[in-house]
Amino acid sequence: QQPVQSPQAVILREGEDAVINCSSSKALYSVHWYRQKHGEAPVFLMILLKGGEQKGHEKISASFNEKKQQSSLYLTASQLSYSGTYFCGTERSGGGADGLTFGKGTHLIIQP
Amino acid sequence: NAGVTQTPKFRVLKTGQSMTLLCAQDMNHEYMYWYRQDPGMGLRLIHYSVGEGTTAKGEVPDGYNVSRLKKQNFLLGLESAAPSQTSVYFCASSYWGGQPQHFGDGTRLSIL
Repeated sequence: QQPVQSPQAVILREGEDAVINCSSSKALYSVHWYRQKHGEAPVFLMILLKGGEQKGHEKISASFNEKKQQSSLYLTASQLSYSGTYFCGTERSGGGADGLTFGKGTHLIIQP
Repeated sequence: NAGVTQTPKFRVLKTGQSMTLLCAQDMNHEYMYWYRQDPGMGLRLIHYSVGEGTTAKGEVPDGYNVSRLKKQNFLLGLESAAPSQTSVYFCASSYWGGQPQHFGDGTRLSIL
């Protein structure tokens, strides 16, 4: 079942913060985050595993709440290069036995 | 190091025609995936492979067939193309299940 992402779209000024959420009605093993710029391939950002710690690099971090089956992606002091569509992909069992199920995406527009 | 290469990049077909999309990876990855991406729908898994000679159905497998005769190649076939198969097709690979997926640049396919 496809995870639900919110919001569907967000417009920010450069330097503002954003939070993107990904929720599932099923128990999850892991959540993957990808960013896709228009006309390009999705690019991997990070993976959060069940029982794992919050991940992050530079000004992008994420968390995974196992009780709520929800992951959140945090973009701090957004830069113009952060614009794009963000997808979460969920995995219900470890080892990749079922592949990833992606949400419909969140469109992020950063304005100068 | 090319990563994941998809051919062709663009193709226009008539309803009922057949064609094969080729995906090649040079990273010695075990897992390979085919997704389709439609506006507002995110990425949906068509078929995937967990190793040479194996294939498995994903979320939307109807109308497609796949083969993984060699570890580095994953082929997606459309036996009798339909307008509903107009989409952007992405191939991806990962070292193992649940690991970051590396995507190709996509194939834009139009069925008239």
